[in-house]
Amino acid sequence: DGGITQSPKYLFRKEGQNVTLSCEQNLNHDAMYWYRQDPGQGLRLIYYSQIVNDFQKGDIAEGYSVSREKKESFPLTVTSAQKNPTAFYLCASSMGGGQTNEKLFFGSGTQLSVL
Amino acid sequence: AQRVTQPEKLLSVFKGAPVELKCNYSYSGSPELFWYVQYSRQRLQLLLRHISRESIKGFTADLNKGETSFHLKKPFAQEEDSAMYYCALPDQAGTALIFGKGTTLSVSS
Repeated sequence: DGGITQSPKYLFRKEGQNVTLSCEQNLNHDAMYWYRQDPGQGLRLIYYSQIVNDFQKGDIAEGYSVSREKKESFPLTVTSAQKNPTAFYLCASSMGGGQTNEKLFFGSGTQLSVL
Repeated sequence: AQRVTQPEKLLSVFKGAPVELKCNYSYSGSPELFWYVQYSRQRLQLLLRHISRESIKGFTADLNKGETSFHLKKPFAQEEDSAMYYCALPDQAGTALIFGKGTTLSVSS
C-alpha cells in the first residue's frame, strides 16, 4: 500500500513541546496538503504546497508550520502555540499544476493527542 | 466566500432503501464539486466528481446550479455503503479543496 505515507500513526505531545508529523509520497505529485479532521468539524485545511520550496496557509494555519524542501516530503510541525492540537491529521497529494479538478490521494492519518 | 454545507451529521437507513446525502454550496463562478468517502479503517478516497458525470458503486450526483446543490443519491442502499461522506469544492484561489463537515451514513439490515 504505497502512494502516500504518514508517520507515526499515533503521537503524543507534552505541554510546550513541538512535534513533527511526517508525510511522504512516491506518486511524483507536485501538490501536497495538510488537513485537520475533528469530529463534527469535517476536514479543515492547514497548509498546502503547489510546488517545492513554496507553500500557503490554509484556513487554520495558526500554531502550525511546514516545509517543502523535497517534492516527496511535506512535514507538518505542531508548535506549542497550537493550544488545541488533539486531532486526526490527514496529508494528501495531487498532481497539482494549480488545478483543483485533480483527484486527492490521502494518507492513513496521524492521531495526535496531548499528554 | 466558497462554502460547503452538509446539513445532516447522521443519516440512518435500512438496506434497500433510497439514500440522498445533501450538499449545498456557495461559489462564485462554475464550481467543480466532489464527493469523498471514508469507510471504516480505510483512507479517505474520491467517490465521484461532477465533471466526470459518472456513477460509482451505484451512487450519482447531479449539480443543480439553481438550488446550488450537489446531492449524492443511490436508489438502493447496501450495508457496505456505511461510511462518512464528504462534499468538497475548490477554494477561491482554486488551489485547494474545501470540505464540508461530513455526513455519516449508516445502513442497517
